[in-house]
Amino acid sequence: AQSVTQLGSHVSVSEGALVLLRCNYSSSVPPYLFWYVQYPNQGLQLLLKYTSAATLVKGINGFEAEFKKSETSFHLTKPSAHMSDAAEYFCAVSDWSSASKIIFGSGTRLSIRP
Amino acid sequence: IAGITQAPTSQILAAGRRMTLRCTQDMRHNAMYWYRQDLGLGLRLIHYSNTAGTTGKGEVPDGYSVSRANTDDFPLTLASAVPSQTSVYFCASSDSKGSRGYTFGSGTRLTVV
Repeated sequence: AQSVTQLGSHVSVSEGALVLLRCNYSSSVPPYLFWYVQYPNQGLQLLLKYTSAATLVKGINGFEAEFKKSETSFHLTKPSAHMSDAAEYFCAVSDWSSASKIIFGSGTRLSIRP
Repeated sequence: IAGITQAPTSQILAAGRRMTLRCTQDMRHNAMYWYRQDLGLGLRLIHYSNTAGTTGKGEVPDGYSVSRANTDDFPLTLASAVPSQTSVYFCASSDSKGSRGYTFGSGTRLTVV
């Protein structure tokens, strides 16, 4: 069975500071990993994905994530936070042996302080 | 613009009433999904369909039914709504391999009173 755990339901950083959102996964086979972003009153948008190519994945809006198999982690980072980054972020995992179903984490709300 | 259309955007529904949430995609994706999103619980899979003519149960299927008569449409029906079904419902789709992730609709906010 696969699962994903996001550490911290709410993260607050100052504008210009480093953003780090943590995600750990559990999967019995090599996973596909995703980060999604949800702005208020909107659906989820794909931020970036890991599909067994490069372990450092770059996404939209300056975000990136690194797949670390030894730590079973896929943390999301951005060097300098912008006010427009305030949103809910979801980590997700799938191994495609389960009919392509993606399992989502419970989400981390990112707040940006001026 | 290619994507997923959900309707209605929001709805207030009396308990015991029947309601169908509509979902249509124009990307010719084989797989489609219905999730509900509740505060603190993230997204939970209700039902899914790997291809037209087939459906499957997700994590929280009770009280919901789906059908997949064709590739584009994947309606979700609440046969007799209850207040615990108050939630935001998202439809999503993906290609067969799913390596590109899901495309999500903008959601339906349902309140059962």
